[in-house]
Amino acid sequence: AQTVTQSQPEMSVQEAETVTLSCTYDTSESNYYLFWYKQPPSRQMILVIRQEAYKQQNATENRFSVNFQKAAKSFSLKISDSQLGDTAMYFCAFMKSNAGNMLTFGGGTRLMVKP
Amino acid sequence: EPEVTQTPSHQVTQMGQEVILRCVPISNHLYFYWYRQILGQKVEFLVSFYNNEISEKSEIFDDQFSVERPDGSNFTLKIRSTKLEDSAMYFCASSEGVAGNSPLHFGNGTRLTVT
Repeated sequence: AQTVTQSQPEMSVQEAETVTLSCTYDTSESNYYLFWYKQPPSRQMILVIRQEAYKQQNATENRFSVNFQKAAKSFSLKISDSQLGDTAMYFCAFMKSNAGNMLTFGGGTRLMVKP
Repeated sequence: EPEVTQTPSHQVTQMGQEVILRCVPISNHLYFYWYRQILGQKVEFLVSFYNNEISEKSEIFDDQFSVERPDGSNFTLKIRSTKLEDSAMYFCASSEGVAGNSPLHFGNGTRLTVT
């Protein structure tokens, strides 16, 4: 079974600064996907960024980028130029490549962006 | 942008009662899912559904639970006889495909409170 761990229950960052959210996972699979989802107070979970394990290049999506360390089973999210709208719960999630979109989530990190 | 919609946003029911949580997935999506999040805990996979049948289900999804696509637009989760521990946020999701490059789109969730 897979496990996903987010060791930072809460974090805060000043507007315009950079913050990194940590995620580690445990799996024996070699092919898988990793995701970061954002859940603002509206409750809807929104996909922020996705990484395919067989790709060495770190995924980027505008101000969001990941540091994917496959050997260390680490998948951190960096948010650059933080904005007030980034305030949300952030969930790291794992999916085996043939798992039919069954996501295994971490416990979440609550991020507060301060003005 | 098309969205997954869930109704109601909050449902209160008495222990032992049946509840039906409703979801309208994105119209061209073929795969549907239910996840839940007990307060303070991780988001957990319940079930996936494709071509009018369950494709995957977790250990949580026991005989008390059932899913149905009663018409061309709705996707429902029924809990036959609710227990206190069923109190949680229930998220519906849909996707075009099942590969990791076909991400899930989540609804805003239904908060179920069992008293």
